[in-house]
Amino acid sequence: NAGVTQTPKFQVLKTGQSMTLQCAQDMNHNSMYWYRQDPGMGLRLIYYSASEGTTDKGEVPNGYNVSRLNKREFSLRLESAAPSQTSVYFCASSEVSGSRGQPQHFGDGTRLSIL
Amino acid sequence: GEDVEQSLFLSVREGDSSVINCTYTDSSSTYLYWYKQEPGAGLQLLTYIFSNMDMKQDQRLTVLLNKKDKHLSLRIADTQTGDSAIYFCAAGRRALTFGSGTRLQVQP
Repeated sequence: NAGVTQTPKFQVLKTGQSMTLQCAQDMNHNSMYWYRQDPGMGLRLIYYSASEGTTDKGEVPNGYNVSRLNKREFSLRLESAAPSQTSVYFCASSEVSGSRGQPQHFGDGTRLSIL
Repeated sequence: GEDVEQSLFLSVREGDSSVINCTYTDSSSTYLYWYKQEPGAGLQLLTYIFSNMDMKQDQRLTVLLNKKDKHLSLRIADTQTGDSAIYFCAAGRRALTFGSGTRLQVQP
């Protein structure tokens, strides 16, 4: 029962480096999401993909890009990392989005530090 | 947009009941969720309630929803040390808005 798998689990970058965070789900879910979690705060939505072939901005999209590679995979890219992007990044998936409100299932997170 | 508020900390003794509270602003949220996060882990879905329900019970967990006041609570009966974690309330439709989390500390 893999569920949602994120790689890598930990990463340290220097300011200005680029990196792609990978996420894959094996539940045949249509919708996928990227969140960031900062100390003392809840999760904030970066981008989401309601279905294969579509992506939309969330609350905090600046400095990030995403790619919905296929139904299983949704990647998050930092083109030029900044210290303010030090955070824990969570990927999630759900069966559908929208008014049916299907619950989201989360990966274990990627802990990213930018020096 | 949606705003979700939670108290930051709750301490209870093992065997007591815990009640974690949450308020939200968007009355169009179809479902409301409770997630649990243990140290170094992702978020685990505990339970959720449809917005036209008042209460949902699932083993030791009871969710109460007061739609008029936009207030959601999670009651954990017979709280155990293994229940120590951060609990997040979340609301929304397409994408979820999370509260800041309530840290539950269970003392033996």
